[in-house]
Amino acid sequence: AQSVTQLGSHVSVSEGALVLLRCNYSSSVPPYLFWYVQYPNQGLQLLLKYTSAATLVKGINGFEAEFKKSETSFHLTKPSAHMSDAAEYFCAVNLKGSSNTGKLIFGQGTTLQVKP
Amino acid sequence: DGGITQSPKYLFRKEGQNVTLSCEQNLNHDAMYWYRQDPGQGLRLIYYSQIVNDFQKGDIAEGYSVSREKKESFPLTVTSAQKNPTAFYLCASTRTSGNYEQYFGPGTRLTVT
Repeated sequence: AQSVTQLGSHVSVSEGALVLLRCNYSSSVPPYLFWYVQYPNQGLQLLLKYTSAATLVKGINGFEAEFKKSETSFHLTKPSAHMSDAAEYFCAVNLKGSSNTGKLIFGQGTTLQVKP
Repeated sequence: DGGITQSPKYLFRKEGQNVTLSCEQNLNHDAMYWYRQDPGQGLRLIYYSQIVNDFQKGDIAEGYSVSREKKESFPLTVTSAQKNPTAFYLCASTRTSGNYEQYFGPGTRLTVT
């Protein structure tokens, strides 16, 4: 069965510091992987996605993530945090294949706090 | 612009009343989903539909009902049988081919007192 684990429900960084949000997945087949961002009282917005092309994926707002099959990980990074990055971040996974119903399995989310 | 609309943004109801949350999309997506979000619990799938006139229960369907009479619309009814209905509800849609990237609406915050 698929699952997604986000290590750390809260991450706090200083403005200008590196952002690293961790995501590990469990899947018997190579999945599609997604990172979403959610600002308070809003819907989720796609940051980036991995769909079996390049393993290093670049997204919006300066974020990127690297798919590492050997580690079953898809960690999200940004070199320099900005105050506007404070939000909740969700990692999600979906199986490929003919039985795919389009359902995403979401991690529990990580709240990113950016300190001035 | 294409997207998903949910209305209303905030909804208040008295305990024991049914309430229907609206979700409309003009992305021509076949599949639509309803999620419930509670603090610290991520997103939990309530119902989903891959085609008109068909839908399946998700992980927490008890106390909820849906319909899919049109491709564009997937309303969710929170019934009086739902024990803890106060939550943030999110609707999403996706194509049924490709990478299944889901597009989300802005959400409806339901408060039941």
